[in-house]
Amino acid sequence: DTGVSQDPRHKITKRGQNVTFRCDPISEHNRLYWYRQTLGQGPEFLTYFQNEAQLEKSRLLSDRFSAERPKGSFSTLEIQRTEQGDSAMYLCASSLGRFSSYNEQFFGPGTRLTVL
Amino acid sequence: DAKTTQPPSMDCAEGRAANLPCNHSTISGNEYVYWYRQIHSQGPQYIIHGLKNNETNEMASLIITEDRKSSTLILPHATLRDTAVYYCIVVPRLLTGANNLFFGTGTRLTVIP
Repeated sequence: DTGVSQDPRHKITKRGQNVTFRCDPISEHNRLYWYRQTLGQGPEFLTYFQNEAQLEKSRLLSDRFSAERPKGSFSTLEIQRTEQGDSAMYLCASSLGRFSSYNEQFFGPGTRLTVL
Repeated sequence: DAKTTQPPSMDCAEGRAANLPCNHSTISGNEYVYWYRQIHSQGPQYIIHGLKNNETNEMASLIITEDRKSSTLILPHATLRDTAVYYCIVVPRLLTGANNLFFGTGTRLTVIP
């Protein structure tokens, strides 16, 4: 396993369409995070999974956004009825999540979404 | 979470040490200082972290002041591949629960040939 992978790397869609992104974390990692990054800004936290349980969601995650991690392995992020403001880089990260002070997060390359 | 302040940009000559400062004057005793960097068109990459003591690894050194209100990331011999945005992040020392990273806008380091 060479790291976190994300698919697709780029997605162009028309306003109002639904899109789905996939993230495959490092295999032994049980924590998975989604972030969003707009141009010139740092990544912003969206949501977090511990195994298959979604434990925290940011207020940035409107009801048009839904994330799943059905078997505690890969995760999907779906955006319904896309808007131009959803255009951003969507980053996935994973970490070991042991009960220690902290484990570094390993980021994937991101999915760049452009909404026309 | 404690807020961090970083200069928006810095330049460094190739082969010289790059010293990136970060202020975190409101940091509390149970919060770590983490550094990540993001090379253009890639996801962020972990560099180093520390609580009180100075830390060093194969990538960088982290110097934390005695009062913990500021820190400096040192890249000892900067190369062109170190050109990136560097983020200083304060992270709570939690035994359980999420450790979401709150990135700011970071420091854009440009290594000049």
